[in-house]
Amino acid sequence: DTEVTQTPKHLVMGMTNKKSLKCEQHMGHRAMYWYKQKAKKPPELMFVYSYEKLSINESVPSRFSPECPNSSLLNLHLHALQPEDSALYLCASRRGGVVNTGELFFGEGSRLTVL
Amino acid sequence: DAKTTQPNSMESNEEEPVHLPCNHSTISGTDYIHWYRQLPSQGPEYVIHGLTSNVNNRMASLAIAEDRKSSTLILHRATLRDAAVYYCTDSNSGYALNFGKGTSLLVTP
Repeated sequence: DTEVTQTPKHLVMGMTNKKSLKCEQHMGHRAMYWYKQKAKKPPELMFVYSYEKLSINESVPSRFSPECPNSSLLNLHLHALQPEDSALYLCASRRGGVVNTGELFFGEGSRLTVL
Repeated sequence: DAKTTQPNSMESNEEEPVHLPCNHSTISGTDYIHWYRQLPSQGPEYVIHGLTSNVNNRMASLAIAEDRKSSTLILHRATLRDAAVYYCTDSNSGYALNFGKGTSLLVTP
């Protein structure tokens, strides 16, 4: 199994809603990532977890709250988002810890629309 | 943050080789060079990575300049399925990867 699975694939939410994005991998990878990608732009790093601990937060607003309950699962909790937060949210994982130089495996993303 | 520069777009004929350049102006001695590509409506896909020596795999070859300030991704025979945005990155010992703007590759039959 070399897949990173993201759910839901599409999400529409209002600015007062609370929702979550989910990411799962069963490759035994110990580093997991959230990226945000706007249309026709490169992915922007948001958060990195290494061995279930948050190791990088790229100054992301607190309305985005990551959680890594175990080594296979990564969540992104969303609350009070703005329309400009509409984007494709990508999850990725990597074997070993953050300093491992191996490849990132990406999911297909969750497309979020904030009304 | 490490920064890379790439041409916005390139075009190739099918079955011809493609050389995609990347400048690594702020790369340091321990930064690995990674290449990813992103097909429409998909997440990025790993292509290749290396540190100092040239690298080959089933998808592509990576040529790294001696001073490591530039790299070139080589697709030996472009196919229509290779049309994608190609990103080069460099990262400190494989730390978090920050993507540059990427090169959009158009492959024409």
